[in-house]
Amino acid sequence: SQQGEEDPQALSIQEGENATMNCSYKTSINNLQWYRQNSGRGLVHLILIRSNEREKHSGRLRVTLDTSKKSSSLLITASRAADTASYFCATGPNQAGTALIFGKGTTLSVSS
Amino acid sequence: DTAVSQTPKYLVTQMGNDKSIKCEQNLGHDTMYWYKQDSKKFLKIMFSYNNKELIINETVPNRFSPKSPDKAHLNLHINSLELGDSAVYFCASSQAKGFTGELFFGEGSRLTVL
Repeated sequence: SQQGEEDPQALSIQEGENATMNCSYKTSINNLQWYRQNSGRGLVHLILIRSNEREKHSGRLRVTLDTSKKSSSLLITASRAADTASYFCATGPNQAGTALIFGKGTTLSVSS
Repeated sequence: DTAVSQTPKYLVTQMGNDKSIKCEQNLGHDTMYWYKQDSKKFLKIMFSYNNKELIINETVPNRFSPKSPDKAHLNLHINSLELGDSAVYFCASSQAKGFTGELFFGEGSRLTVL
């Protein structure tokens, strides 16, 4: 069953601008992760934030998590053309015997 | 060395045929997965194995049968292929128990059923 919903579905920006993607989910989670998928490639893990964390940074990435609103955001600062990809949030459930559940993704286009 | 490798990368076949996709990981992980990505990029878990034992089977038709000969390999066999099986199939692995850790994905196998 689908858990995460990303917003917006598509985002077009210029190089140097910041890109913000949002993710909402429905059930309690152990952690929330963000992945990137370049066209025709596999998914690559970007960052994991645990349910007891509120914010995490990794290079130009900043992730926030609000468990009371069941939402997360991914901010990419000073975007580059190479950031053009689809970005997915995935929730790690608290329930044993279940796997990461992915959202539908946000397609980001960064033009130079 | 590729961490998670899948073969073949592309597969074009006729309805009714049987096909297999192979996956191998050299990360030493205990848990492996098959995900299906449809034309709208929606990723859905199909199966998960932990140390050769089936853990997750998500309402996938019986025509799909995973096989894990050892913890480094997870193959997917599909019988009597249907048009709706056309998708990209991703193999993934993770180290963490409880299926909540980071996933390492293969490059995907694009299956086209004609």
